[in-house]
Amino acid sequence: TQLLEQSPQFLSIQEGENLTVYCNSSSVFSSLQWYRQEPGEGPVLLVTVVTGGEVKKLKRLTFQFGDARKDSSLHITAAQPGDTGLYLCAPREGFQKLVFGTGTRLLVSP
Amino acid sequence: NAGVTQTPKFQVLKTGQSMTLQCAQDMNHNSMYWYRQDPGMGLRLIYYSASEGTTDKGEVPNGYNVSRLNKREFSLRLESAAPSQTSVYFCASSKGTSGGFVGEQFFGPGTRLTVL
Repeated sequence: TQLLEQSPQFLSIQEGENLTVYCNSSSVFSSLQWYRQEPGEGPVLLVTVVTGGEVKKLKRLTFQFGDARKDSSLHITAAQPGDTGLYLCAPREGFQKLVFGTGTRLLVSP
Repeated sequence: NAGVTQTPKFQVLKTGQSMTLQCAQDMNHNSMYWYRQDPGMGLRLIYYSASEGTTDKGEVPNGYNVSRLNKREFSLRLESAAPSQTSVYFCASSKGTSGGFVGEQFFGPGTRLTVL
């Protein structure tokens, strides 16, 4: 099983601020997904990255996959209260499985 | 489409009791999963079913059994519940691998289980 670290664990910011969260491992990922989970609900997929160095944008969210495919980051520009939630990275493990990190809990206050 | 549905939403058990968590998906997905989520531990895979007729252990299978009843339904059974099984349980489904990487997983709303 891959050792997966997400940082920071908690982040509390004001609306309009920028932030970056990180997902790191000593293992090489074949692919990686980012999910967001809102309180009382299941996680929802934001993006899948596959190629080393890949950058994907989803409105104000920018996802980057490390060149060596051992790490990934999520940058949010001008955060809004609707961005509040638990952000989970999930690299692929094996044929059909994902391994979920412990997540970064983000609170954006108005 | 309802997506992934789970029943019940909440459950309180006494130590030693048994129960079955139900999960169904209406997206014609091949793969289904059971996770548990505990504070500070993220989502941990209990069992999964890559396709109808197959099941495999995940990271934390002890104390659980599963049944892939048909393509739509995947149930999780606790034979003798223990306080350590207090958790939020999520069922998920995915279409199956495509192009060599696992596809999007769609999650149900979760079952909040407390074992006293």
